[in-house]
Amino acid sequence: QKEVEQDPGPLSVPEGAIVSLNCTYSNSAFQYFMWYRQYSRKGPELLMYTYSSGNKEDGRFTAQVDKSSKYISLFIRDSQPSDSATYLCATANTGGFKTIFGAGTRLFVKA
Amino acid sequence: ETGVTQSPTHLIKTRGQQVTLRCSSQSGHNTVSWYQQALGQGPQFIFQYYREEENGRGNFPPRFSGLQFPNYSSELNVNALELDDSALYLCASSFDRRNTEAFFGQGTRLTVV
Repeated sequence: QKEVEQDPGPLSVPEGAIVSLNCTYSNSAFQYFMWYRQYSRKGPELLMYTYSSGNKEDGRFTAQVDKSSKYISLFIRDSQPSDSATYLCATANTGGFKTIFGAGTRLFVKA
Repeated sequence: ETGVTQSPTHLIKTRGQQVTLRCSSQSGHNTVSWYQQALGQGPQFIFQYYREEENGRGNFPPRFSGLQFPNYSSELNVNALELDDSALYLCASSFDRRNTEAFFGQGTRLTVV
């Protein structure tokens, strides 16, 4: 079993839709949770990070962490074609130095 | 664009050779982490350097080694290259060891033939 599981997709939605991206993780010791966006042939770009459980909002993006079910989510409101990319969830241990990534979900937003 | 730069951008090597990849961290960052990303997979943690010392290592063999210099730039060295080492190698810099707000470079695409 992988430490972080993420559906690779692809996920295709029309412009303006609400997108829900999800990951599960196995180690209850994980304390930090991140979402990265990666465009083709580029390095990952940090979107948001949260510590422990709860919600965090930044513009059109909302990250949710439910530690009781080991489930993390990213919601994108009013999706745009420019949001088309691979979205990577990631977790880190208490020390934070070892970041473990999911496989990434490919998202396509159609104009 | 982040302030993290990697060189070279692309590289082709023959099995058994050695390779050195370079990374310049963002100004003010003292921590560099290296990752290997195979096609269609998420990045896998190789190791982290904090103030010139190795601060943690993933499940990679000793032929993967690194250095961090006083200006916090870093090198990844891979000896005895294998075909499975073909991947995108990413470095990420952060202002502390927690790595929760890391900035990635564009990566080096290594092909081993």
